[in-house]
Amino acid sequence: LAKTTQPISMDSYEGQEVNITCSHNNIATNDYITWYQQFPSQGPRFIIQGYKTKVTNEVASLFIPADRKSSTLSLPRVSLSDTAVYYCLVGDYNTDKLIFGTGTRLQVFP
Amino acid sequence: DAGVIQSPRHEVTEMGQEVTLRCKPISGHNSLFWYRQTMMRGLELLIYFNNNVPIDDSGMPEDRFSAKMPNASFSTLKIQPSEPRDSAVYFCASSLVSGRAANEQFFGPGTRLTVL
Repeated sequence: LAKTTQPISMDSYEGQEVNITCSHNNIATNDYITWYQQFPSQGPRFIIQGYKTKVTNEVASLFIPADRKSSTLSLPRVSLSDTAVYYCLVGDYNTDKLIFGTGTRLQVFP
Repeated sequence: DAGVIQSPRHEVTEMGQEVTLRCKPISGHNSLFWYRQTMMRGLELLIYFNNNVPIDDSGMPEDRFSAKMPNASFSTLKIQPSEPRDSAVYFCASSLVSGRAANEQFFGPGTRLTVL
């Protein structure tokens, strides 16, 4: 079963790029990697998902190295409203078991 | 669509009482998930349904926990009897595509449960 670890917290300033890494050393071959954002008193909200290489959407990019043992969520030009907790989620295609990472609390300062 | 709906939003009960949490997934979604979130253990998957059928309940902590999905628009998570260590925020989520566990999930607002 895959295990996922993330840095506990990160600080940034408005307008900077933020990169949050998730380690999933035991990810199975068919696992996808998904990232979620969570604000206080709310459920997690989907940000981006990928299987390998690089994926980009209107809010973030996801970088996955060839060995897929980690992934990096990149948030370009963060704003105060990006202050939240970010989780990676690894799913296994065959068993459908899901494991959330430990979460990274991002604080953006003006 | 109103999104995933959970009720109640807050529940305070005494140890030993039965607790029932309810969830209405997004219409047309084929998969439904129940999660629990605590400071100590983070977000944990409890159980997962595909097309109303429980697929993986290995995350259900004890026999005191049970979940049902009688139809595509309703699911319950029951704890009987409840204990203080069950205090947590319980989330329900749904996704459009079944069988792809890492697909985009839409989460409800959660139910904050406090067991005294």
